[in-house]
Amino acid sequence: DAGITQSPRHKVTETGTPVTLRCHQTENHRYMYWYRQDPGHGLRLIHYSYGVKDTDKGEVSDGYSVSRSKTEDFLLTLESATSSQTSVYFCAIKSGEVSYEQYFGPGTRLTVT
Amino acid sequence: KQEVTQIPAALSVPEGENLVLNCSFTDSAIYNLQWFRQDPGKGLTSLLLIQSSQREQTSGRLNASLDKSSGRSTLYIAASQPGDSATYLCAVIGTSGTYKYIFGTGTRLKVLA
Repeated sequence: DAGITQSPRHKVTETGTPVTLRCHQTENHRYMYWYRQDPGHGLRLIHYSYGVKDTDKGEVSDGYSVSRSKTEDFLLTLESATSSQTSVYFCAIKSGEVSYEQYFGPGTRLTVT
Repeated sequence: KQEVTQIPAALSVPEGENLVLNCSFTDSAIYNLQWFRQDPGKGLTSLLLIQSSQREQTSGRLNASLDKSSGRSTLYIAASQPGDSATYLCAVIGTSGTYKYIFGTGTRLKVLA
């Protein structure tokens, strides 16, 4: 499972509150990704990181920010949560310099009321 | 812009049947294609990865093929079992060097005992 953990695993929050989700990996992978998964839309990339302090936007980045101050941790922040951000959030890593295989964390189910 | 399509969205088959899941992509400039399995409420598990230079990969009862020129991949499951019931997703990564993965919306498979 590439040693990927996510916290919290479940969270309920109110509209307008800030929320931070954490992804932690233990195998020193350079690339890390945040996705959201919604019915009918599949997995969509929010942000990704290609090293400490190096991040870039994905296709659904509005309303989200990320930070990576250490190789092992990639944080996703919803500055002011909205009901449209209710979703399941997955973290992933890219493994290897040749195969580019992706491995996923267990997910965080976020509900914004 | 790369688009990945999986048809059908859902499939129900009797136990023991051999079956084929399809994945189509619009841009043939891919580095690799990866098949995943997702059980309800769980994360994604990597099943098979096919590099662009390869035609197929096999793991146990699973065989994945890739035809870049036609923009298609198939996942063949032999002698299906109820434990194979899950959603199967495919993803491609392009050759542009941005290391972004594009996912299909998946095929939900149910194998009836």
